[in-house]
Amino acid sequence: KAGVTQTPRYLIKTRGQQVTLSCSPISGHRSVSWYQQTPGQGLQFLFEYFSETQRNKGNFPGRFSGRQFSNSRSEMNVSTLELGDSALYLCASSSGQGEHEQYFGPGTRLTVT
Amino acid sequence: GENVEQHPSTLSVQEGDSAVIKCTYSDSASNYFPWYKQELGKRPQLIIDIRSNVGEKKDQRIAVTLNKTAKHFSLHITETQPEDSAVYFCAASRSNDYKLSFGAGTTVTVRA
Repeated sequence: KAGVTQTPRYLIKTRGQQVTLSCSPISGHRSVSWYQQTPGQGLQFLFEYFSETQRNKGNFPGRFSGRQFSNSRSEMNVSTLELGDSALYLCASSSGQGEHEQYFGPGTRLTVT
Repeated sequence: GENVEQHPSTLSVQEGDSAVIKCTYSDSASNYFPWYKQELGKRPQLIIDIRSNVGEKKDQRIAVTLNKTAKHFSLHITETQPEDSAVYFCAASRSNDYKLSFGAGTTVTVRA
C-alpha cells in the first residue's frame, strides 16, 4: 500500500497571502487529521475529517480551514498568513472506524516571510 | 481539554543500556496511547500503542506500560542502538476521537 502523501513539500509565502496544502491518505482510509508542528508549540491538532465531514476541530483561528473530497483526499487552507504560521504541517491518515492508528505524511514545510 | 506531559525532555544513554520515557495525562476519558518516533527531517512514525484495557505491551526491544489509575504511561527501550536516536512523542486520545494530544517530546541520544 502506498503511504500518506502531501504536496507540496515546501512552500514560501509572504505575510497576508493564503496557501492551500494537500494530503492523500492511505488507500481505504477515510479519516484525515491535520497537525501543526513548531519548535515552540510542538505538535498541535488542527482538525479531522471523515467522509467529507469535519468531526473535530482544535483551537486554531478561523483562518485555518479544511475540506475533504469524496476520494478522501483532504486540503487545508490558511488565509491571511502571519509569520507565526511558519511550521511543518502534517496530515495523518486513519481508517476512521474504530482503528485509532494514525499514520503521518512527510509534511509540508511552510515558511512565511 | 487533554494535557499530556512528557519527561525527560532529553535523554542520553550508552549503547546497550535501557531508556525510559514517562508521560502523564489529565483526561480520564482518554483510552488510546500511541508513541511516535521522529528522526531528523522525517515524519513521525508510529512505533507502538496501547489501549486502556491493557497494562503492558511489548514489541521486540520496545514496551509500553499504562497505569490508568495514576494516569501515566511509559515507553521502555532495551538494548539501545544508535538508530534509536530520535525524538519520541507520546500522545493520548479518547475512544471515539481522532484528536491526538501530544507530549512535548523527548530527544534520545544513544552514545556509541
